[in-house]
Amino acid sequence: DQQVKQNSPSLSVQEGRISILNCDYTNSMFDYFLWYKKYPAEGPTFLISISSIKDKNEDGRFTVFLNKSAKHLSLHIVPSQPGDSAVYFCAASAGNNNDMRFGAGTRLTVKP
Amino acid sequence: NAGVMQNPRHLVRRRGQEARLRCSPMKGHSHVYWYRQLPEEGLKFMVYLQKENIIDESGMPKERFSAEFPKEGPSILRIQQVVRGDSAAYFCASSGIINSGNTIYFGEGSWLTVV
Repeated sequence: DQQVKQNSPSLSVQEGRISILNCDYTNSMFDYFLWYKKYPAEGPTFLISISSIKDKNEDGRFTVFLNKSAKHLSLHIVPSQPGDSAVYFCAASAGNNNDMRFGAGTRLTVKP
Repeated sequence: NAGVMQNPRHLVRRRGQEARLRCSPMKGHSHVYWYRQLPEEGLKFMVYLQKENIIDESGMPKERFSAEFPKEGPSILRIQQVVRGDSAAYFCASSGIINSGNTIYFGEGSWLTVV
């Protein structure tokens, strides 16, 4: 049961442009959403999160948008940098973290 | 300020052997999670533990897999009689007090290769 879906396995963007990574979920009980970034041979690192009481959270070049009615969230990176090239995982949890669900990931490549 | 520590980073086992993966949570964290990433797939939840308690093991395969988090020492994920399909990256994560909105932090993973 794929409760968190990232339908784009890969995305390629030019340096300086905006990267938009998308994520959809099916469980209406999810109330906390996170994005993790993962480099090869390393563990995922926490990037940014958003609670369901908000529709936007911004941290430097990273902004997460949440559309609860559409059960959709997105991560915007602007301007994109080559060092942003990694796999990005969307995650969601409901009430507590004992069953945080992850999407399959989107591989972002930022070309210089 | 050590993060989540996993060892070994890489482990090679022959089919039928046992694999033990260890995880020490971040200082002050008492909740541990294990995830598995198969090649070309996302992170799959396996088990959630607190000290001496398994809270949720709904993602664990019914056979050959077990996990523990003793009062003293690291959490252990044990895979008995490994098969080729167990080859994957196993990630441990930890968190502090559980409430809505807490973040889990990952270790660097243990890569199991079954030959």
